[in-house]
Amino acid sequence: GAGVSQSPSNKVTEKGKDVELRCDPISGHTALYWYRQSLGQGLEFLIYFQGNSAPDKSGLPSDRFSAERTGGSVSTLTIQRTQQEDSAVYLCASSWVEGTSGYTFGSGTRLTVV
Amino acid sequence: DAKTTQPNSMESNEEEPVHLPCNHSTISGTDYIHWYRQLPSQGPEYVIHGLTSNVNNRMASLAIAEDRKSSTLILHRATLRDAAVYYCILRDTTLNSGGSNYKLTFGKGTLLTVNP
Repeated sequence: GAGVSQSPSNKVTEKGKDVELRCDPISGHTALYWYRQSLGQGLEFLIYFQGNSAPDKSGLPSDRFSAERTGGSVSTLTIQRTQQEDSAVYLCASSWVEGTSGYTFGSGTRLTVV
Repeated sequence: DAKTTQPNSMESNEEEPVHLPCNHSTISGTDYIHWYRQLPSQGPEYVIHGLTSNVNNRMASLAIAEDRKSSTLILHRATLRDAAVYYCILRDTTLNSGGSNYKLTFGKGTLLTVNP
């Protein structure tokens, strides 16, 4: 597609349930990033993929958070046993590998844990 | 990542130029200067980036000081649609022992208000 696609756009889940968030990057972009943004806050880095490997997972807040990327394309961010503090907008971005070009962000998934 | 300093907020009038400043006194020789903006309820949008020379594109111009310790994003004619939070970010493009990682570290940015 022409842009970074994220699904679902909105997700309401009960505390304790698991959720999966999907990101479909721009075709050919080998670098993929996940960020999250809590209400009124800045963007917080979660994880970086280069191809299918994740050399930087330093931003994942706890072991309830995991992510994978398959075929060098689609990525899934999984949050297990969701907590209310996980409520945020989860943003995915992709870029070319060389790092000097800009990122393209998706519109995000708004996660609400009730 | 090296830090940047931006004003918390700025105001402009529609159809007037806007100059958004950014200080980055600890910039290294390999840091690119990136600007992104985030409109309400949207993901960030790439605006422009540069290394040493001034840059122009259809959205904006980027003026980089000769010593690279500061830069200015210039919107030539502000419109109401330009109201957003503008982020100035330094992006290190050197390889490290773990391989390359070009993650962007976002600060609080400048909230630009455009008055009709």
